[in-house]
Amino acid sequence: AQSVAQPEDQVNVAEGNPLTVKCTYSVSGNPYLFWYVQYPNRGLQFLLKYITGDNLVKGSYGFEAEFNKSQTSFHLKKPSALVSDSALYFCAVRDTGRRALTFGSGTRLQVQP
Amino acid sequence: NAGVTQTPKFQVLKTGQSMTLQCAQDMNHEYMSWYRQDPGMGLRLIHYSVGAGITDQGEVPNGYNVSRSTTEDFPLRLLSAAPSQTSVYFCASRARQGDGYTFGSGTRLTVV
Repeated sequence: AQSVAQPEDQVNVAEGNPLTVKCTYSVSGNPYLFWYVQYPNRGLQFLLKYITGDNLVKGSYGFEAEFNKSQTSFHLKKPSALVSDSALYFCAVRDTGRRALTFGSGTRLQVQP
Repeated sequence: NAGVTQTPKFQVLKTGQSMTLQCAQDMNHEYMSWYRQDPGMGLRLIHYSVGAGITDQGEVPNGYNVSRSTTEDFPLRLLSAAPSQTSVYFCASRARQGDGYTFGSGTRLTVV
């Protein structure tokens, strides 16, 4: 079975400060890992993915994520938060032997001006 | 515009009614999925398809049927709507194994 945990329902950060949104996963094989963002009343938008290779993955809008195999984590980071980054963020995982994504419960990011 | 198109955007049903949520993509993607989004529960997989004529159940398939007669279309049928099916439904597609999904804008369904 595959699963994803996002331990924080909400993350608050001041504009200009670095942000981290946490994600841990569980799979039986090698993972494909993804981050998505959802703005109000919209569908999910793809931010970045880890398939293989460099543990630090860079994605859209200045976001990056670090894959840590020993800690089974894939935390989303950004060096300097913007108010416009405020949204709902989802981590997702797929075992290479499976066909569909499993999503975490989501973390709401609030960036205060 | 290329992408995943879902219709309708909003729907209110009475308990026991049936309906079909439409999903179409014009990117020639083989993989398509239906998810439902409920507060605090993230997205849960209902059904998915790896190509025309091939479908499989996800995490929460009860009360829903799907078919995939063409690569482009992947409709989701509610057989007899129940209040527990009140949710936001998303259709998504992807091309290859390592690709991210492209999501539709969703259908907000209320069952009264």
